[in-house]
Amino acid sequence: EVQLVESGGGLVKPGGSLRLSCAASGFTFSTYSMNWVRQAPGKGLEWVSSISTSSSYIYYADSVKGRFTISRDNAKNSLYLQMNSLRAEDTAVYYCARARFPTTVTSPKDYWGQGTLVTVSS
Amino acid sequence: DIQMTQSPSSLSASVGDRVTITCRASQGISNYLAWYQQKPGQVPKLLIYAASTLQSGVPSRFSGSGSGTDFTLTISSLQPEDVATYYCQKYNSAPWTFGQGTKVEIK
Repeated sequence: EVQLVESGGGLVKPGGSLRLSCAASGFTFSTYSMNWVRQAPGKGLEWVSSISTSSSYIYYADSVKGRFTISRDNAKNSLYLQMNSLRAEDTAVYYCARARFPTTVTSPKDYWGQGTLVTVSS
Repeated sequence: DIQMTQSPSSLSASVGDRVTITCRASQGISNYLAWYQQKPGQVPKLLIYAASTLQSGVPSRFSGSGSGTDFTLTISSLQPEDVATYYCQKYNSAPWTFGQGTKVEIK
């Protein structure tokens, strides 16, 4: 059974940093591109970042470019999101999501974690 | 960047009704279009990909169509368990933009 479990969320002050993790199991992690998607309270879904299987291709939404860094450790079956210079508008539930098709980033997302809440507030 | 626009933003229909949601891309995206369902308090669920391919386990009352810039999600006979917000998403290239969502309620 595919499982994605996010952790690392919490309350942080504006300008602060946070590192999210996503532990994957139930599939061959190294063969799937991975993604972060967020959802502000009461709002819609916003794609944040994607990373290819070997980390060769990395993409960011303009809203987080230069502040967030996605990475993965295939040996540990884990995905990460380092978030720096956090702003109030980054407050959201952050979901880890797997690509539907192996090896390509050009894919819908078929498995989602339960999400971890990040709150940016003074 | 390509924008994704859904309509309507919300709708209310009776059980058994046929429901149609549209998604329009500001530029052509071939058939690189997915639909997701998010029930209240739940995680998004992939319903349809490649514009019209039903994800495994999704009831056959859901269907998708379209190519290029105009896409539709149809629920052939609305059920109480279909109350949710539905999102389209383009995935041909970054950024993988979502539509703003369509909230479906029972009348």
